[in-house]
Amino acid sequence: GDSVTQMEGPVTLSEEAFLTINCTYTATGYPSLFWYVQYPGEGLQLLLKATKADDKGSNKGFEATYRKETTSFHLEKGSVQVSDSAVYFCALRGGSYIPTFGRGTSLIVHP
Amino acid sequence: DAGVIQSPRHEVTEMGQEVTLRCKPISGHDYLFWYRQTMMRGLELLIYFNNNVPIDDSGMPEDRFSAKMPNASFSTLKIQPSEPRDSAVYFCASSLGAGTGELFFGEGSRLTVL
Repeated sequence: GDSVTQMEGPVTLSEEAFLTINCTYTATGYPSLFWYVQYPGEGLQLLLKATKADDKGSNKGFEATYRKETTSFHLEKGSVQVSDSAVYFCALRGGSYIPTFGRGTSLIVHP
Repeated sequence: DAGVIQSPRHEVTEMGQEVTLRCKPISGHDYLFWYRQTMMRGLELLIYFNNNVPIDDSGMPEDRFSAKMPNASFSTLKIQPSEPRDSAVYFCASSLGAGTGELFFGEGSRLTVL
């Protein structure tokens, strides 16, 4: 079945540091890939998505590129802010229509 | 547009009591999902509906859990009787159309069973 593996956290960075959160997936066919963000006390909300190979999703300075050859969708941001502190979930949705989520990676950004 | 609305936001109850969580999906969305989030197990899919019909309930942990969707604008997740290990945050999410679209989540219902 479908699965998503993302790096364990917490990831702790200083403000303005570069961020990478790794995500790899296993799926049949050609799934859509997503990054969701969960701020404390809130539900998950979509951060960005990509629907086909080589697509780049971007939002709020975050980017991720759909790499079919490496089955990866790593999240990056060039300069993190304290307000980016949250839990980030990599997810896919393929032919079964059942969304599959990774375990989540907590990001802590210090001033 | 209003997002996915869940109630209650917080529920504290005693072991053995019945708990009912409620969800109003985004109008027009035809998929509805119930998730449970815990530190130990992360985000678990419990059940999902398409056009009000339950499609896959294989994630429902045991018979104490049940879910209904009597119409397109309302769903419930019921736990009877509740146990301390049911303590978690329960999320409802909805999406539009078959395929690979994004999910829209509610703010969750935090359940504590004493």
